[in-house]
Amino acid sequence: EIVLTQSPATLSLSPGESATLSCGASQSVISNYLAWYQQKPGLAPRLLIYDASRRATGIPDRFSGSGSGTDFTLTISRLEPEDFAVYYCQQYGGSRVTFGPGTKVDIQ
Amino acid sequence: QVQLVESGGGVVQPGRSLRLSCAASGFTFSNHGMHWVRQAPGKGLEWVAVIWYDGTKKYYADSVKGRFTISRDNSKNTLYLQINSLRAEDTAVYYCARDRLPYSSSSGDWGQGTLVTVSS
Repeated sequence: EIVLTQSPATLSLSPGESATLSCGASQSVISNYLAWYQQKPGLAPRLLIYDASRRATGIPDRFSGSGSGTDFTLTISRLEPEDFAVYYCQQYGGSRVTFGPGTKVDIQ
Repeated sequence: QVQLVESGGGVVQPGRSLRLSCAASGFTFSNHGMHWVRQAPGKGLEWVAVIWYDGTKKYYADSVKGRFTISRDNSKNTLYLQINSLRAEDTAVYYCARDRLPYSSSSGDWGQGTLVTVSS
């Protein structure tokens, strides 16, 4: 099973700033099959990025994903008030899917 | 419009069984892999299981293997999760999610979740 770690656990920023979230894998993620999700309190997760760098339908271009192998990054440029949430990475390169523990982006 | 509606949650005693359902509409159900993902109160997301579009392949998280069974009825556009020998640590909101592809990848659509509480 691939174990994902995310850093930092919490990121305190102000609207308009940029956020850089990291996701590390215990072994190389096959074909860079890595996704990022956003989750707000009481709501289901929302897919942002898949295949490491492809934006899902309807996702603003201020969200971008990059990385390969074992190191991946989600960048949110120019944080909007609605972007303050918890972000999870997920790998689906093997038969068993795994999620990272999450990074909370909160308002400074 | 894709819609996924989970049902079957509730308060259950330890050791009992439960079957969750997820009714799908707004898309061709038989073309997509389907997942169950759970979230314990105040905790992160935990992937539970996936079933391929035709039901031929099923994979489980190690934490639930042997107690949970994922299945689907493509004629009824419904996904199921049978949970046996419930434990306190199974307490969570259970989400069903539609895979983007016929097998296992990322999930672009999620239900609202159904809460399972295991308590005596």
